[in-house]
Amino acid sequence: DIQMTQSPSSLSASVGDRVTITCRTSQTVTRYLNWYQQRPGEGPKLLIYAAYNLHSGVPPRFTGSGSGTDFTLTISSLQPEDFATYYCQQSYSTLISFGQGTRLDIK
Amino acid sequence: EVQLVQSGGGLVQPGESLRLSCAASGFTFEDYAMHWVRQAPGKGLEWVSSLTWNSGIMEYADSVKGRFTISRDNAKNSLYLQMKSLRTEDTAFYYCAKDIAGGSYPALVNWGQGVLVTVSS
Repeated sequence: DIQMTQSPSSLSASVGDRVTITCRTSQTVTRYLNWYQQRPGEGPKLLIYAAYNLHSGVPPRFTGSGSGTDFTLTISSLQPEDFATYYCQQSYSTLISFGQGTRLDIK
Repeated sequence: EVQLVQSGGGLVQPGESLRLSCAASGFTFEDYAMHWVRQAPGKGLEWVSSLTWNSGIMEYADSVKGRFTISRDNAKNSLYLQMKSLRTEDTAFYYCAKDIAGGSYPALVNWGQGVLVTVSS
């Protein structure tokens, strides 16, 4: 099974900040890495698929990059609605695995 | 509009069974792989099971293999998760999710509202 490690596990930032979240996989997933956002009390929402493809309706301040085993999610200018928990998920294997999550709080 | 409406959650005792359902609408159900993901209260996401568009490939997390069975009825646009021999550690919100495609390189593009399964004596 492919293990996922996200960092940091939590992060405090202010509206307008640029933040980066990292996801590392235990073996190569080529570019098959997705990112989700989950706000409190809601279900997850797909943000980015296959490393850098922005899902329909997702604001362009969200960008994904990386390949192989190292990936990043960057939010260029934080908005109030962006304070949430973010998860990476590998889709290289049909045995899906998620990262443990990165909680993004308001500073 | 894609909708995934879940039902079947509840409180059961350890060792008992429960069946979750997920009714899909707004897309051609038979063309897409479907998934179950769970989330224990206050914890992260845990993938449970996946089923390709034609039920040709079923996958399970090790934690549920041999106890849970995923299935679908394309005529009824519905996905199911039969859970047996439930354990306290199975307590979680369970989400059904629609894949971005047929099953290769899965991305979970739409999610149900989630149902709570509580396993407790």
